[in-house]
Amino acid sequence: AQKVTQAQTEISVVEKEDVTLDCVYETRDTTYYLFWYKQPPSGELVFLIRRNSFDEQNEISGRYSWNFQKSTSSFNFTITASQVVDSAVYFCALSEGGDTGKLIFGQGTTLQVKP
Amino acid sequence: DTGVSQNPRHKITKRGQNVTFRCDPISEHNRLYWYRQTLGQGPEFLTYFQNEAQLEKSRLLSDRFSAERPKGSFSTLEIQRTEQGDSAMYLCASSLDRLSGNTIYFGEGSWLTVV
Repeated sequence: AQKVTQAQTEISVVEKEDVTLDCVYETRDTTYYLFWYKQPPSGELVFLIRRNSFDEQNEISGRYSWNFQKSTSSFNFTITASQVVDSAVYFCALSEGGDTGKLIFGQGTTLQVKP
Repeated sequence: DTGVSQNPRHKITKRGQNVTFRCDPISEHNRLYWYRQTLGQGPEFLTYFQNEAQLEKSRLLSDRFSAERPKGSFSTLEIQRTEQGDSAMYLCASSLDRLSGNTIYFGEGSWLTVV
């Protein structure tokens, strides 16, 4: 069965600290896609990144970076120099059955960044 | 380019009543998805359309739920004879299915409270 686990339910940091959100997935597919979304209090899921299983290169986008390791089935997300505006719930998701758009989400990690 | 639009944003209804939600996807997107999210959980897939064809429905989608996308543009999700367990946020998403990938963009969701 396919599954996404975000073991960290809540994380609290002080502004400017670095923080890493963990994501571990299970799948039998050889081709799959992983996503991260941010959900602020307004409710909208904001797309952050999409990564396919053949691309293990780490990615950096501003203060955000992602570490994809197939060997450990992990797709971790790091925010460098966190800011109060980063406070939100972050979801990791796995696309079921290839690139169908049917996403299996983790439980989410609530990040609170205090000033 | 506007994002995915959903309305109403909030709906309170009495048990047993019918409700309908509307989703307008990003204009050129040919795929449209419905997800449901309850408090403290990640979104769960309900159904998706490729143009006007409904290609898959989750087992979560009971007979009281029906979704349509009559002209391959906007979609409606109707819940008949609502139950308290239907209280959740209903998220719509869309994507453009292409060789370069299938990035899924979500709307702000429609909150349903059944009293």
